[in-house]
Amino acid sequence: DGGITQSPKYLFRKEGQNVTLSCEQNLNHDAMYWYRQDPGQGLRLIYYSQIVNDFQKGDIAEGYSVSREKKESFPLTVTSAQKNPTAFYLCASGLGGSSYNEQFFGPGTRLTVL
Amino acid sequence: KNQVEQSPQSLIILEGKNCTLQCNYTVSPFSNLRWYKQDTGRGPVSLTIMTFSENTKSNGRYTATLDADTKQSSLHITASQLSDSASYICVVSAPNSGNYQLIWGAGTKLIIKP
Repeated sequence: DGGITQSPKYLFRKEGQNVTLSCEQNLNHDAMYWYRQDPGQGLRLIYYSQIVNDFQKGDIAEGYSVSREKKESFPLTVTSAQKNPTAFYLCASGLGGSSYNEQFFGPGTRLTVL
Repeated sequence: KNQVEQSPQSLIILEGKNCTLQCNYTVSPFSNLRWYKQDTGRGPVSLTIMTFSENTKSNGRYTATLDADTKQSSLHITASQLSDSASYICVVSAPNSGNYQLIWGAGTKLIIKP
């Protein structure tokens, strides 16, 4: 997983609760990304950050929030406003700047809403 | 609309056999195309990347081809091994307002049987 860690691996949440997924990287990458993966669908971009203290919405940002206070960390909060949060969440990091630069993925967090 | 379609959805082959996975895309303009391997419950790992000027790229037993005119790519796996069992995802990059956008396919699930 190339120096990117995500925790926890499995997470269960009751409806109406906010939950925060952790993502840490020690690759000295400027850019970090959060994706959501659902069965039978391609990865969808939630948020991305190209530099500390800056981040942009991706294609499906509603119901999610992020922060980027440190280069190494990019936590994702799934809020109660996210109507269908059960999914596999993947964090990635990379040099950014060009699509030719590879994104390196963490092992993922599987979130289940009970 | 920018789309990436992969076929087949799933494939079962015997260990030692070869196979070819397909990726068709409607992305335009086009920057590059990457193939990822994703083991179950893990994050994707890059196998190959090709720009529009490249028509083949190898990585061990994996060979990717690209026909930018017909907007098709394939991933050929030679002498399959049990460890090749995974999902294989095609990702196309397109320039987007000074940045870039990644369009992810849904993947082909490959099962290698002994």
